[in-house]
Amino acid sequence: DAKTTQPNSMESNEEEPVHLPCNHSTISGTDYIHWYRQLPSQGPEYVIHGLTSNVNNRMASLAIAEDRKSSTLILHRATLRDAAVYYCILSANFGNEKLTFGTGTRLTIIP
Amino acid sequence: SQTIHQWPATLVQPVGSPLSLECTVEGTSNPNLYWYRQAAGRGLQLLFYSVGIGQISSEVPQNLSASRPQDRQFILSSKKLLLSDSGFYLCAWIGPGTYEQYFGPGTRLTVT
Repeated sequence: DAKTTQPNSMESNEEEPVHLPCNHSTISGTDYIHWYRQLPSQGPEYVIHGLTSNVNNRMASLAIAEDRKSSTLILHRATLRDAAVYYCILSANFGNEKLTFGTGTRLTIIP
Repeated sequence: SQTIHQWPATLVQPVGSPLSLECTVEGTSNPNLYWYRQAAGRGLQLLFYSVGIGQISSEVPQNLSASRPQDRQFILSSKKLLLSDSGFYLCAWIGPGTYEQYFGPGTRLTVT
């Protein structure tokens, strides 16, 4: 599976937007981009996924670069409950994911 | 609705002792099932996955094994635990034709 690169940590003020970057320069044409997040002492939870087009759901937005070599998870208005480790993952087998989690980005929200 | 259970929630075991962690899923059929481990301060490592009863694929060589005796039951075992087996063990599932992987509450294992 192609690898992703994320910053180790980020900070953001409460109620402000957060942009979490992910680089995946070796992404293949069939790789989907998935984002999960892990709150303290819990298992990961799905946030969003996409292939080529930008995606929006109730939790976040996913902006995918035109060349697909990078993507950005956007939290439109961060709350303290959004403090978590965010993982950007590529998977070629849609629907049968063997997800490879890196170390992700630890997001700290400042009140 | 679908639910995933794991037990026990926490476990402290001496080195050399056996291990059995259980995961069950409700509200779906024929799910793909996964076991992950997360060492302290690390990312998740995929250990095993299963696409059906009795079908187990191992992702990393280790002293752990997995079994799937029923469609919605996944068991992680060891005959003799090592200190390096300590970690947060997570079971996950994905339903047929879906893309979202659901994780259980996890078991925190400490090997002493």
